Amino acid sequence: QVQLVESGGRVVQPGGSLTLSCAASGFRFGDYGMHWVRQAPGQGLQWVAFIRYDGTGEYYPDSVRGRFTISRDNSRNTVYLQMNSLRPEDTAVYYCAKNRLGRVITFGSEPDYWGQGTLVTVSS
Amino acid sequence: DIQMTQSPSSLSASIGDRVTITCRASQSISNYVNWFRQKPGEAPKLLIYSTSNLQSGVPSRFSGSGSGTDFTLTISSLQPEDFATYICQQSHSNPLTFGGGTKVEI
Repeated sequence: QVQLVESGGRVVQPGGSLTLSCAASGFRFGDYGMHWVRQAPGQGLQWVAFIRYDGTGEYYPDSVRGRFTISRDNSRNTVYLQMNSLRPEDTAVYYCAKNRLGRVITFGSEPDYWGQGTLVTVSS
Repeated sequence: DIQMTQSPSSLSASIGDRVTITCRASQSISNYVNWFRQKPGEAPKLLIYSTSNLQSGVPSRFSGSGSGTDFTLTISSLQPEDFATYICQQSHSNPLTFGGGTKVEI
């Protein structure tokens, strides 16, 4: 069965950096794009990044572009989210999620499997 | 960015009720809308993709319809596990965006 396990969340000071990891299993990781989606406490979902199945394309909303970088290692079945210049408004549970369609060459579509999430708190 | 507006933001219902939730896009998105259910403390679960396609393993009491800017999710007979928050998402344009959610309460 598909499993996605995020790690790396912790308390970090404003302006700091953090890298999240997501270990995948139960599917052909190298055939699927991957998303990161976040949810601030008591708030809705916000998509923050997508990477194509082969790592050749990355997509971000304006709110994080230039600060966040998504990457993947298909040999380790792992996707990462490097977050720099963190702000208090980046505080959220960060989920990684698998794109439902394989080998998508655009900005992704609907995520069909999600991890349990990892909490990032940006506070001094 | 395409804004996704859900209504109502919350509703009260009983077991066995038929429930309809609406999602409106700020511009036409063809049939590129997806629906998720999220229970407290859990990750979202994909229910329906591309407006009306049931994700594998999802009960047939869930259905979706619509096109263009107006979409609906219908639960034909509410079950105890359906008391949760329902969220729409558009996958027509970058950036992907989500609706604010509809909380279904007892």
